[in-house]
Amino acid sequence: GENVEQHPSTLSVQEGDSAVIKCTYSDSASNYFPWYKQELGKGPQLIIDIRSNVGEKKDQRIAVTLNKTAKHFSLHITETQPEDSAVYFCAEWGDRDDKIIFGKGTRLHILP
Amino acid sequence: NAGVTQTPKFQVLKTGQSMTLQCAQDMNHEYMSWYRQDPGMGLRLIHYSVGAGITDQGEVPNGYNVSRSTTEDFPLRLLSAAPSQTSVYFCASSYSSSSEQYFGPGTRLTVT
Repeated sequence: GENVEQHPSTLSVQEGDSAVIKCTYSDSASNYFPWYKQELGKGPQLIIDIRSNVGEKKDQRIAVTLNKTAKHFSLHITETQPEDSAVYFCAEWGDRDDKIIFGKGTRLHILP
Repeated sequence: NAGVTQTPKFQVLKTGQSMTLQCAQDMNHEYMSWYRQDPGMGLRLIHYSVGAGITDQGEVPNGYNVSRSTTEDFPLRLLSAAPSQTSVYFCASSYSSSSEQYFGPGTRLTVT
């Protein structure tokens, strides 16, 4: 069945440093990979996504890379700021069905 | 636009009671879904719908029913609540299954 593994579960980085969160998936038919940010007491919100015909996508300080051969994708946050502290979820979707499957999340702490 | 609205925000039930969690969206989205969020477990898909009159099971459907009589509404029913259903429930909607999902603010449910 579908499976998304997300690492690490918790990550602490110094303000200004970079943070990287990695996800691996099992279904070679997966072709859409979104990342969501969840702040305390709120619902998740999309921050960036990538489709399988692209290897990398950037949006200001956030970037996502995709390696379809190895079946993994990563979220990169550069020049981290206090407001980046949140829980981040990766997810994957494929043509097999209409389900989006989420990873278990990474709690990111930005240290002053 | 109100986006995705969920009611109630908080609910306490006794074991065996039934209730309906309400979800509505005003973005004319075809795809709607329900997730539960538990500590360390990420977002798990309960049920989803690709359009009015169509529903399907997600990863953890047992103990929950859904219906989709209109495009706007997607209620989640707990027929006989159990303590294992204590969780935070999120409803989401999107244009399609492989596009940005918009999440509601969540319902925190406690079953005693």
